[in-house]
Amino acid sequence: DIQMTQSPSTLSASVGDRVTITCRASQSIGSWLAWYQQKPGKAPKLLIYKASSLESGVPSRFSGSGSGTEFTLTISSLQPDDFATYYCQQYSYYYTFGQGTKLEIK
Amino acid sequence: EVQLVESGGGLVQPGGSLRLSCAASGFTFSSYSMHWVRQAPGKGLEYVSAISSNGRSTYYGNSVKGRFTISRDNSKNTLYLQMGSLRAEDMAVYYCAREDAGRELLYWGQGTLVTVSS
Repeated sequence: DIQMTQSPSTLSASVGDRVTITCRASQSIGSWLAWYQQKPGKAPKLLIYKASSLESGVPSRFSGSGSGTEFTLTISSLQPDDFATYYCQQYSYYYTFGQGTKLEIK
Repeated sequence: EVQLVESGGGLVQPGGSLRLSCAASGFTFSSYSMHWVRQAPGKGLEYVSAISSNGRSTYYGNSVKGRFTISRDNSKNTLYLQMGSLRAEDMAVYYCAREDAGRELLYWGQGTLVTVSS
């Protein structure tokens, strides 16, 4: 099975900050990586697919990059609505989620 | 508008069984693979199971293999998850999800809570 490791587990930041979350795959997954945002009590929301494609309706301050085993999600200027938990997910071979990164207000 | 509505969650004793349903609308159900993802209280997302559009191909995560069965009824636009030999660690909110053209999970239901306790 493909394992996904996110870092950091928790990230404290302020409105306006630029933040980056990293996701590593245990083997190459090409660009078959998605990023999701989840708020408490809600279902996950797709932000990025195929490593760098922005889902329709998602603000352009979100961006994704990477291929193979190393990927990043960047939020260019944090907004109050962005404080949530973020998950990466590989879908190269079935599906595996990372353990999540909780983005907290500093 | 795509809608996925889960039902069937509730309280079940360890070792018991439960069947979850996911009613789909707003799209051609028979054209898409469907998925179950769960989230234990305070924990991260865990991929549970998948089924192909015609129901002939299924996949299970290691933690549920041999105990859970995924199925679908394309005539009723409904996805199912039959859960057996339930354990405390199966307690979670269970989400059904539909993949998009590229297989990423674009649409999600609101989830249904399964509580395993005596």
